[in-house]
Amino acid sequence: GQSLEQPSEVTAVEGAIVQINCTYQTSGFYGLSWYQQHDGGAPTFLSYNALDGLEETGRFSSFLSRSDSYGYLLLQELQMKDSASYFCAVRDRGTGANNLFFGTGTRLTVIP
Amino acid sequence: EADIYQTPRYLVIGTGKKITLECSQTMGHDKMYWYQQDPGMELHLIHYSYGVNSTEKGDLSSESTVSRIRTEHFPLTLESARPSHTSQYLCASSEIEAYEQYFGPGTRLTVT
Repeated sequence: GQSLEQPSEVTAVEGAIVQINCTYQTSGFYGLSWYQQHDGGAPTFLSYNALDGLEETGRFSSFLSRSDSYGYLLLQELQMKDSASYFCAVRDRGTGANNLFFGTGTRLTVIP
Repeated sequence: EADIYQTPRYLVIGTGKKITLECSQTMGHDKMYWYQQDPGMELHLIHYSYGVNSTEKGDLSSESTVSRIRTEHFPLTLESARPSHTSQYLCASSEIEAYEQYFGPGTRLTVT
């Protein structure tokens, strides 16, 4: 099976940098995705890492270490609108048929 | 523009009723999914499809059924709704590489 661990809540100040960690256990790892979900909204895709290293997309970056079964999402220059839940999700053979298995989510609160 | 639609957005219904939640996408994606999500919780995959006439059960056991007669349409049916079915149901679609999924706005179902 699969399991993912990420912090349940994080609070950070507007303009700061925050890192949301995700550790995973899986039988056949393909890659790690990150999604953002605002309250009452639908999840939206942020980034995907299949190989070790850092992927940067504007203010958001995502990192993966396959040897450590660990990844993180880095949010820079935080804005109030970044307050949302962030989910990591593994793509692996264990889910069957190339699906995603989602973590429990990290609720980020950005304060002035 | 990625477009995926769900209707109804909100539904309150009595126990024992039959309901169908509609989902349509205009992106021509072969792969479609149904997730169940309780407030503040992770997404659980309940059904997915590789394409027309393909349907599979997901990780979370569900009493619902799905069909895929057309590429763009993936409805979910509950033959007899119960209060335990109260949840948010999210439909998504993707290319075969499942790491980037596009989500609809969701249907918030309440069974009384």
